[in-house]
Amino acid sequence: GENVEQHPSTLSVQEGDSAVIKCTYSDSASNYFPWYKQELGKGPQLIIDIRSNVGEKKDQRIAVTLNKTAKHFSLHITETQPEDSAVYFCAASSTYGQNFVFGPGTRLSVLP
Amino acid sequence: DAGITQSPRHKVTETGTPVTLRCHQTENHRYMYWYRQDPGHGLRLIHYSYGVKDTDKGEVSDGYSVSRSKTEDFLLTLESATSSQTSVYFCAITPEGNSGNTIYFGEGSWLTVV
Repeated sequence: GENVEQHPSTLSVQEGDSAVIKCTYSDSASNYFPWYKQELGKGPQLIIDIRSNVGEKKDQRIAVTLNKTAKHFSLHITETQPEDSAVYFCAASSTYGQNFVFGPGTRLSVLP
Repeated sequence: DAGITQSPRHKVTETGTPVTLRCHQTENHRYMYWYRQDPGHGLRLIHYSYGVKDTDKGEVSDGYSVSRSKTEDFLLTLESATSSQTSVYFCAITPEGNSGNTIYFGEGSWLTVV
């Protein structure tokens, strides 16, 4: 079955710097890669996603890149702000939601 | 906002008692899911549903049952709660008209079994 690894597990950056979180997956059949942000006491919130027919997607300060050959995808956050502090999860899926496999999460701290 | 309401949001119960968590949605989504989230294990799928009376097991279904008698409600039942079921439970949906595999989560139900 699918296995998703995520690094680093914790990340601290200065406000205004960039943050990069990387995930690798094992199943070449996976074709959908979302990223979720989870704030304390709340549910995971979808922030950006990418499908396997696209190499990069950007939404304001957030971007995701996908390398299908190497089976890895990354979340890039530029100009970080204190409100970006949260736990970020990546996931990989090949079909409907029952086949989602999540990474273990990265705790991002943006220091003022 | 996924339009999901979970109840109760917080519950403390005793070992051996039955517990039911409710997930309610008003947008006619067919696909609904129950996940649990634990430190060191991330998010794991318990059960999911394709529609009314159509459910299936996920990765960690032992000790849990589900029911979906109406499109809008997906119930998760712990028949006899154990301390290992202390967790945060999230309901999720896949919106209709979606390409197939985007899921959105509710706000969670914190369950403590003492």
